[in-house]
Amino acid sequence: DAKTTQPPSMDCAEGRAANLPCNHSTISGNEYVYWYRQIHSQGPQYIIHGLKNNETNEMASLIITEDRKSSTLILPHATLRDTAVYYCIVRLSSGGTSYGKLTFGQGTILTVHP
Amino acid sequence: NAGVTQTPKFQVLKTGQSMTLQCAQDMNHNSMYWYRQDPGMGLRLIYYSASEGTTDKGEVPNGYNVSRLNKREFSLRLESAAPSQTSVYFCASSYLDRGSNYGYTFGSGTRLTVV
Repeated sequence: DAKTTQPPSMDCAEGRAANLPCNHSTISGNEYVYWYRQIHSQGPQYIIHGLKNNETNEMASLIITEDRKSSTLILPHATLRDTAVYYCIVRLSSGGTSYGKLTFGQGTILTVHP
Repeated sequence: NAGVTQTPKFQVLKTGQSMTLQCAQDMNHNSMYWYRQDPGMGLRLIYYSASEGTTDKGEVPNGYNVSRLNKREFSLRLESAAPSQTSVYFCASSYLDRGSNYGYTFGSGTRLTVV
């Protein structure tokens, strides 16, 4: 699986958009980009995933560059409850020994302040 | 809708004791996973089961065994607990299908301390 690089920490003001970057320069054509977050010591929560098109759901938007070497998770109107560790993960879509497995890195600690 | 249920939520063991962590999901998922998370670290995969009847080692399998009891249940056993196994253990499940991609659902974790 391709490795990802994320900044260790970021700050955001409440009500503003939070833009979390992720570099995955070695991603292969059949690997998806997934984002999860972990609030305090709870289990991680799925946010969104994508292959090459931009994606949006009720939680966030995912912008993937045309060369697929990086992506940005956007929380449009951050709240204090969005303070969490955000993980960017690339995952094989099908086949191979790593099929289905998620490999977590260190993630980005996002702190939303009033 | 319970999702992924883990028991117990907290446990303290003495070195050398054994115990089984239980995990059950009610979402008809075919794949299940066990992760551990040490303080300040990301999650590391211990074992996984891509489908009922199969199990495979993950990144850190030593000192653990697993059983996929049925489609719903996936247990993790520590045969002889060691202080290095002090951690938070998360179970997860997902629907795994070639050509499709789904997110994982995680349980709330078991906080294990080995003294």
